[in-house]
This record gives sequence, structure tokens and C-alpha cells, in this order.
Amino acid sequence: AQSVSQHNHHVILSEAASLELGCNYSYGGTVNLFWYVQYPGQHLQLLLKYFSGDPLVKGIKGFEAEFIKSKFSFNLRKPSVQWSDTAEYFCAVRVVNRDDKIIFGKGTRLHILP
Amino acid sequence: DVKVTQSSRYLVKRTGEKVFLECVQDMDHENMFWYRQDPGLGLRLIYFSYDVKMKEKGDIPEGYSVSREKKERFSLILESASTNQTSMYLCASSETSGSSYEQYFGPGTRLTVT
Repeated sequence: AQSVSQHNHHVILSEAASLELGCNYSYGGTVNLFWYVQYPGQHLQLLLKYFSGDPLVKGIKGFEAEFIKSKFSFNLRKPSVQWSDTAEYFCAVRVVNRDDKIIFGKGTRLHILP
Repeated sequence: DVKVTQSSRYLVKRTGEKVFLECVQDMDHENMFWYRQDPGLGLRLIYFSYDVKMKEKGDIPEGYSVSREKKERFSLILESASTNQTSMYLCASSETSGSSYEQYFGPGTRLTVT
């Protein structure tokens, strides 16, 4: 079955540290890829998405992600995190031409120490 | 801005009660989704609808049903609530065509079944 794996369930970093959250998916066809974020007490919202073209995608708040097709990966990065990046991050995949469902990973809880 | 609203932020019900969770979106989106979010399990799809009166089962439909009589409204029904349905319930909507399949989420309903 199609799945999305996020390698880290809980990450703790200090401010200004660099961040990389791993995401792998299991489907071999054409996919759309997403990272969503849920700040404490807020709605789940889109951070960035990849549909086609440049595999390096830039999102809001200085985040970026790189799609590596050969590795079935879509890792999220930020060069220097801030305390306000404390949140839960979800990777998600949509299989093109199948339906409009998005499959979510189990999430990574990121805690930034001030 | 797309707005997805859910009828209640917090709800407490007793075992065996029939529970209705309502979701309304204001962007004329064709697709609507119901998820439950549990710690360590991420978002799991319960049901989705791609048109009025149309519905499809997601990954965990048991114990739930849905209703979509109008395009903007998608209801989740717990026919006989049980304690294992205590969870955060998220509604989302998305377009069905174009370049974006981004899902827009409501604030969630935290349901406690006692």
C-alpha cells in the first residue's frame, strides 16, 4: 500500500540551528508533494508544495524542500530555525491521475529551544 | 481567503450517543474530507466527497458515516459514539482541477466520548 514515512517523530533544536526533516514515499508513479505545518493551537496550513519543474521548492517562512525522484524523498530544510518554528510538520503525497486524496505522514513534532 | 469552519471546537458526548460534526467551506470547492488526528498517528482519512451526494470511504470509515446535501457542507456522523472515537476531527476542502490540489483545513473539533 502507498505510504508516507517521516523518519523523526520528535526533533529538538536550538535557535539558529539548521533543520532537515526527512520524508519518503512508497509510490513509483507521478506524485504531487506537500509539507503542511500545524503551529500550536492553529489550523493545519500549507508550507510548500511540489507539482513539477524545479525540484527545489521554496515555501513560506524560509523553508525549502527538495524532491529527489530516485530516492522517493521530499526532505524539508531550513538553514536557521527560530523559536517560532516550534510546530508539528506533516509530509503528504497525492498520486497524480488516481484521485484527489492526499496521504499524510505521521508527523514530526519540532521543538525549538530559545 | 479560503475559510473552512467547523461547528464546534470542543465537544463532550456520552458512549452510545449519536454525534454530528458539521463542516462548511466558502470557496465552492468540489472536494471535502474528514480526518481524525491522533498523536503519533498523523492524519487518517475517514471519508471524502468529490461532489454533492457523493462519498467515498477513506482508510478508517468504520463507525462513521457522512452526508453531503449541499456543496458547501459536509457532515460527519458517529452513529453510536464509543470511547475509542475520542480524537481531534479535521475537515478539509480542495479544488478538483487546475494546478492546485492543496487542502484547506478547518480549526478542528476535539471530541471526547465518556
